[in-house]
Amino acid sequence: QAGLTQPPSVSKALRQTATITCTGNTNNVGNQGALWLQQHQGHPPKLLSYRNNNRPSGISEKFAASRSGNTASLTITGLQPEDEADYYCSAWDNSLSAWVFGGGTKVTVL
Amino acid sequence: QVQMLQSGAEVKEPGASVNVSCRTYGYAFTSYYMHWVRLAPGQGLEWMGRINPKTGGADYAQKFQGRLTMSRDTSTTTAYMELSGLTSDDSAVYYCAFVTFDYWGQGTVVTVS
Repeated sequence: QAGLTQPPSVSKALRQTATITCTGNTNNVGNQGALWLQQHQGHPPKLLSYRNNNRPSGISEKFAASRSGNTASLTITGLQPEDEADYYCSAWDNSLSAWVFGGGTKVTVL
Repeated sequence: QVQMLQSGAEVKEPGASVNVSCRTYGYAFTSYYMHWVRLAPGQGLEWMGRINPKTGGADYAQKFQGRLTMSRDTSTTTAYMELSGLTSDDSAVYYCAFVTFDYWGQGTVVTVS
């Protein structure tokens, strides 16, 4: 089934800012927005934000989500080595009646 | 404190079925959906489906229709995922996730070989 589109990788220097995009359509991202997950190798995913820019308790403000039309974005400020991970967006798709994921973006801190 | 404990790693032959369990602690089991998501080697996360623990009703991703069954036992607050007709493409880490991906189990490695 159709998924969301993310860049495969993003590389930025230490303490810089990384932005990851997630493009869908009017049935998913453009409808109810997207949520973002972080996954470190060998660990389960962790929810970073939901409904575009609501952060669960304990999630740092350095993770900021937004949406414009059918594209959601996750901005990570002040990159640190521990931010190296895979990042996924996800959204409910009304036409599929299913949750869809992006392919994931690997963030590398140089 | 919400905790979700999944069953251990499985090795299956092609054509077999696998049953993964997810026991939950510390929340109202019947109040929120339980999702199943998998991560195959070199691939991204893939949503398989969800179950309403209160009613037992399940929604499955189209890709898995016909060979995926989700169930639950409210007395033990445990959710189950059974996938049949296994192929090597089903080798993956399988996760249960509660609410809207707020909480995750530790993952169960399923190897089809």
